[in-house]
Amino acid sequence: DAGITQSPRYKITETGRQVTLMCHQTWSHSYMFWYRQDLGHGLRLIYYSAAADITDKGEVSDGYVVSRSKTENFPLTLESATRSQTSVYFCASSESRSLSYEQYFGPGTRLTVT
Amino acid sequence: KNQVEQSPQSLIILEGKNCTLQCNYTVSPFSNLRWYKQDTGRGPVSLTIMTFSENTKSNGRYTATLDADTKQSSLHITASQLSDSASYICVVSSNYGGSQGNLIFGKGTKLSVKP
Repeated sequence: DAGITQSPRYKITETGRQVTLMCHQTWSHSYMFWYRQDLGHGLRLIYYSAAADITDKGEVSDGYVVSRSKTENFPLTLESATRSQTSVYFCASSESRSLSYEQYFGPGTRLTVT
Repeated sequence: KNQVEQSPQSLIILEGKNCTLQCNYTVSPFSNLRWYKQDTGRGPVSLTIMTFSENTKSNGRYTATLDADTKQSSLHITASQLSDSASYICVVSSNYGGSQGNLIFGKGTKLSVKP
């Protein structure tokens, strides 16, 4: 049971390039989330998705795009990477919209924008 | 403004000792409070989740308490082990709007357990 995986685990890219971070979960969870984690901040929500083809913005969505054509995949795209997007990105999933349900996090992708 | 404050920022203890981490929040309306453990280079893993009516919950050597009146929570670790070295994150959820998007994360407490 692979659970929730992210790829790549590490990525270095240049300012202005497009980069896509992948997230895949094997639980058929309805909800999926993207967070970023930076020093001096708690995790911050970028985007979330309630189901295939349903996505919504989080707290820090500017500069990011998501899609969800299949329940198990939730890619995050930086359309034109900036240095301020250097961060560790975590994908998470949850089986229900109820706030009593757990969110399960992937291992993270460390992105450096030079 | 909804906020979650954790203290201390970092803590060093000797193996076998106990410790307590603090979390204060100003989230309203409150739904539940979670504690996560995050090992270096890994994603957060849930330790406990408590609703308004629960004031204590244990998971092995981890015991979380919640005082909804004072909006404080603590995570007590008993007989610490080297593997407890990690960041511990307090997360408060608000059911405002009924959305799964309303999780407010603390910045975490970095715990180092030394032999």
